[in-house]
Amino acid sequence: EVQLVESGGGLVQPGGSLRLSCAASGFRFGSFEMNWVRQVPGKGLEWLAYISTSGGTTKYAASVRGRFTISRDNAKNSVDLQMNSLRAEDTALYYCVRDNLDSGTYYPFDYWGQGTLVTVSS
Amino acid sequence: QPVLTQPPSASETPGQGVTISCAGGSSNIGSNTVNWYQQYPGAAPRLLIYSTDDRPSGVPDRFSGSKSGTSASLAISGLQSGDEADYYCAAWDDSVKEWVFGGGTKLTVL
Repeated sequence: EVQLVESGGGLVQPGGSLRLSCAASGFRFGSFEMNWVRQVPGKGLEWLAYISTSGGTTKYAASVRGRFTISRDNAKNSVDLQMNSLRAEDTALYYCVRDNLDSGTYYPFDYWGQGTLVTVSS
Repeated sequence: QPVLTQPPSASETPGQGVTISCAGGSSNIGSNTVNWYQQYPGAAPRLLIYSTDDRPSGVPDRFSGSKSGTSASLAISGLQSGDEADYYCAAWDDSVKEWVFGGGTKLTVL
C-alpha cells in the first residue's frame, strides 16, 4: 500500500524557518517524481515544488521560489521541503504528493499524504 | 486568485447528472491536458480524472472529463450522496511554468 506521511509542521514566527519531511513507503520511491502542494484550510490547492527522480531537476511556484527548497534522499525514501523566510500567508496544510509515470501514461498527483499543518504567526 | 476558474458550488438531486466547468487560458488548458481531483472534508485530494478524459482504475465510469478550447468540464452522472465533495481542476501552465489549480467546486447532492 502506498503511504506518504508528512511531518515537521508546527507554529513558527514570521521570518522563521521550518523543514518538512515526507516518508514514503509501499512503492519504489526512487522511480517516482515528487511534489509539495499546500492548502489553506477551507481554501483551494496550490502547487509549490517538484523534484525529479534523481533530484537533479527541481521546479518551484513563483510564490515560494528563493525561499523554499525541495530535496530528496532515495536511500531513505524521503522528500523534504526546507522553508525559509516564512510569512503569515504561508500558513496552510502542506501535502506531499506523488507523480506516476507508468508504462508511458502520466498520472499527475496520483497519491497524496494526509498533510502537515504549518502556522506562521507571532 | 486561482488561475483556473470554477464555480464555487453546484448542486443536484440524487440520480441526476451535473457538470462542473473549469475555465482557463491558452497557456494552460488550451495547451495541456486537464486533471480533476476529488476531496472529501478532512481528507486529502484523490485523482479522479487524468489526461482530460481518462479515469484511474477504481474511479466509476459515472465520472467523465472533457475539454474544448480553453475550458474543461467534469461530468458526473447518476449522482449519489457519496459524491458530495469538493472538486478541483488542474493543468500545467506553459507561461508561468507551474501547475495551476481551479478554486474548487463544492458539490451538494440534495
